[in-house]
Amino acid sequence: ETGVTQSPTHLIKTRGQQVTLRCSSQSGHNTVSWYQQALGQGPQFIFQYYREEENGRGNFPPRFSGLQFPNYSSELNVNALELDDSALYLCASSPPGTSGGLETQYFGPGTRLLVL
Amino acid sequence: GQQLNQSPQSMFIQEGEDVSMNCTSSSIFNTWLWYKQDPGEGPVLLIALYKAGELTSNGRLTAQFGITRKDSFLNISASIPSDVGIYFCAGQLGGSQGNLIFGKGTKLSVKP
Repeated sequence: ETGVTQSPTHLIKTRGQQVTLRCSSQSGHNTVSWYQQALGQGPQFIFQYYREEENGRGNFPPRFSGLQFPNYSSELNVNALELDDSALYLCASSPPGTSGGLETQYFGPGTRLLVL
Repeated sequence: GQQLNQSPQSMFIQEGEDVSMNCTSSSIFNTWLWYKQDPGEGPVLLIALYKAGELTSNGRLTAQFGITRKDSFLNISASIPSDVGIYFCAGQLGGSQGNLIFGKGTKLSVKP
């Protein structure tokens, strides 16, 4: 069974650019959640996707957007990057029947984004 | 963003010592979870708590859901070197869908 994978592992961008981060959910999982983890902080919920639609959103501006594909993989897009967007971006997937249940979110290793 | 108050921020342990950390919130939570995160990896769930007063163990780890539903603690007994890492508490506010609110973490290190 393949776990949650994310790509790329590291990324450097400059302020104002756009970035796309990718997540492949664990086999059989149909719900994907994204989190931002700044250095020295706990993860903060960005949004969750279920059946290719946004299913809950945290306190992040509209320049943070996402997609979920029919194979349940997901993308996080961030436009007009700001220095404060530098963080570890975590993806977590959940199996069917859990409604993205908390205890069933399996996290990937994250993508570390640095904005210069 | 909203976060839980987790303490201590960091602690040093010697092998064999017991360790205790806790989280508090001004809000009532329906669920408390404890995670461990190693460098370069995502958080891994250790224990999930669903009812006020619940006490749950996972090997040498024990966690409790506070009676007021506004706090939780995690104990690690007889610590070993691989316990080193960052421990996060997380809770879900009633009515929210799927999202977790995390504490800032407790960093566990080995005493030199």
